[in-house]
Amino acid sequence: RKEVEQDPGPFNVPEGATVAFNCTYSNSASQSFFWYRQDCRKEPKLLMSVYSSGNEDGRFTAQLNRASQYISLLIRDSKLSDSATYLCVVGWDNYGQNFVFGPGTRLSVLP
Amino acid sequence: NAGVTQTPKFQVLKTGQSMTLQCAQDMNHNSMYWYRQDPGMGLRLIYYSASEGTTDKGEVPNGYNVSRLNKREFSLRLESAAPSQTSVYFCASRDGGSEKLFFGSGTQLSVL
Repeated sequence: RKEVEQDPGPFNVPEGATVAFNCTYSNSASQSFFWYRQDCRKEPKLLMSVYSSGNEDGRFTAQLNRASQYISLLIRDSKLSDSATYLCVVGWDNYGQNFVFGPGTRLSVLP
Repeated sequence: NAGVTQTPKFQVLKTGQSMTLQCAQDMNHNSMYWYRQDPGMGLRLIYYSASEGTTDKGEVPNGYNVSRLNKREFSLRLESAAPSQTSVYFCASRDGGSEKLFFGSGTQLSVL
């Protein structure tokens, strides 16, 4: 079983739609969780960290379910500019060398 | 702010050739990393340097060497390139007090 799994998509949604991605992880000792965004042929950039109680940043909401070992990302009111690949990242500590990247979920927001 | 700068952006090699990928950061970060990204797979850590003067192997170090030249620069060397090393390579850095990784713009490497 892969350490971090994501549905590769693509998710094709109309502008204004709400879309959600899930990511499952296998290491129950994982302590840190993130969503990164990667535009086509560009570098990944941190979108948001995921905290135990869940957290929100504008139109983006992240949730963590430790019991089922998954994290989710909800995007409300999708914009064309949200089209990208979303990478789930899980670490068993806060040191970068112990981060495991998922393969990513591709989102296309259509006009 | 330049952030993390990688060179070159593109490179084509023949099997057996050698090359060095350069990476420099201007954010005074202690930790630096080299990843490779292949289709359908997550970024995989090749080598990292937790601080100036130290380097350690990551998940996929075979066929690569690194040098942490100073606090700013972390280079990745392919001594004898193989087609399996065709990939996109990303350098990243991180401040010790933060979990956030800052990535360079990547190097597209093709080995024929």
